[in-house]
Amino acid sequence: EIVLTQSPATLSLSPGERATLSCRASQRVSQYLAWYQQKPGQAPRLLIFDTSKRATGIPARFSGSGSGTDFTLTISSLEPEDFAVYFCQQRSTWPLTFGPGTTVDVK
Amino acid sequence: QITLKESGPTLVKPTQTLTLTCTFSGFSLSTSGEGVAWIRQPPGQALEWLALIYWDDDKRYTPSQESRLTISKGASGDQVVLTMTNMDPVDTATYYCAHRLIADSVTENFDFWGQGALVTVSS
Repeated sequence: EIVLTQSPATLSLSPGERATLSCRASQRVSQYLAWYQQKPGQAPRLLIFDTSKRATGIPARFSGSGSGTDFTLTISSLEPEDFAVYFCQQRSTWPLTFGPGTTVDVK
Repeated sequence: QITLKESGPTLVKPTQTLTLTCTFSGFSLSTSGEGVAWIRQPPGQALEWLALIYWDDDKRYTPSQESRLTISKGASGDQVVLTMTNMDPVDTATYYCAHRLIADSVTENFDFWGQGALVTVSS
């Protein structure tokens, strides 16, 4: 099973700042890494799939990069609605696995 | 527009079997490439993928729970059913069903989710 590790656990930033979230895989996952956003009491929302492809309706301030085992989600300028928990997910190898999440909260 | 909604008991006793139903609209699970997954999330914890069923009735399970899980299509054609046997308090979680993303290629990512169903396991 591929284990995904996310860092930092919590990121405290102000609106307008840049957020950089990391996801590291225990084995290579090629480009098959996705990112989801989850707000309290809501289901996850797909942001990015296959490392860098934005899902339908996702603003351009969200971008993904990386390859192999190291991946990054960047939010170029935080909007108030971006404060949430972010999970990464790999689909390279069964079983599908998710990371433990990074909380982006208001500084 | 694709929608999904989970239904089932909110409380089950230890050792009982949980049956959850996902009722969906906006797509057909008989269409090539389509798939529906079950994913759960214990309170305050991370997401855990449990099972996935494809349009052709192929099924995948997470190995750690495979002996307890069954995923199937409902008789009505717009439902997917998950059963989990021998429930334990550690299975307390919000259970989500989710639609498999089909982009320029098929993926095992999930673009539409139900609202989730909180299931508590307690005597």
